[in-house]
Amino acid sequence: DARVTQTPRHKVTEMGQEVTMRCQPILGHNTVFWYRQTMMQGLELLAYFRNRAPLDDSGMPKDRFSAEMPDATLATLKIQPSEPRDSAVYFCASGRQGGVDEQYFGPGTRLTVT
Amino acid sequence: GQSLEQPSEVTAVEGAIVQINCTYQTSGFYGLSWYQQHDGGAPTFLSYNALDGLEETGRFSSFLSRSDSYGYLLLQELQMKDSASYFCAVRDKGENQGGKLIFGQGTELSVKP
Repeated sequence: DARVTQTPRHKVTEMGQEVTMRCQPILGHNTVFWYRQTMMQGLELLAYFRNRAPLDDSGMPKDRFSAEMPDATLATLKIQPSEPRDSAVYFCASGRQGGVDEQYFGPGTRLTVT
Repeated sequence: GQSLEQPSEVTAVEGAIVQINCTYQTSGFYGLSWYQQHDGGAPTFLSYNALDGLEETGRFSSFLSRSDSYGYLLLQELQMKDSASYFCAVRDKGENQGGKLIFGQGTELSVKP
């Protein structure tokens, strides 16, 4: 049963610390998405990749966030320095070729920045 | 810009039928997707409509009217486990090939005994 995996599942950190979240997309999927979900803003797209190339990161605060795909099996989202307003659940999702409409989400990383 | 509107919450009883509506405004349109998210869980893909009409998958059906910029998700024979948030989403044509999904704010469905 192929699934998207994310680590860590939970992260509590202090303001100013660096946070790195990792995602392993489903094997064979070539699109990868990073979302942030909060009660106030709902589900927001931060960045997405196709064939490891970044296609859109317009939703990501560039001064502190960065997203990369070092290889086809790993996507990372980094926040440096973290701030309390970054507290949210971060989801990674992957899709098949051209699979923007049907995305498979990972379990999420629940981040709390104190 | 793009926007989607759906009710914030809906309540229904077990065994009943419920319809969750979604209206959208987009600069370009490919199709309408629906996702389910249980409390504390991840969104799960339910359905996708690119053409007008009704698509049925078991107890769930999804409908699209492109001319009305409107769609709905129909849940039949409701069960307690259907209590969840339901999101409609449209693909924004965007600047890059393929576009990206824009999600509505979600409808929280509560199924009562």
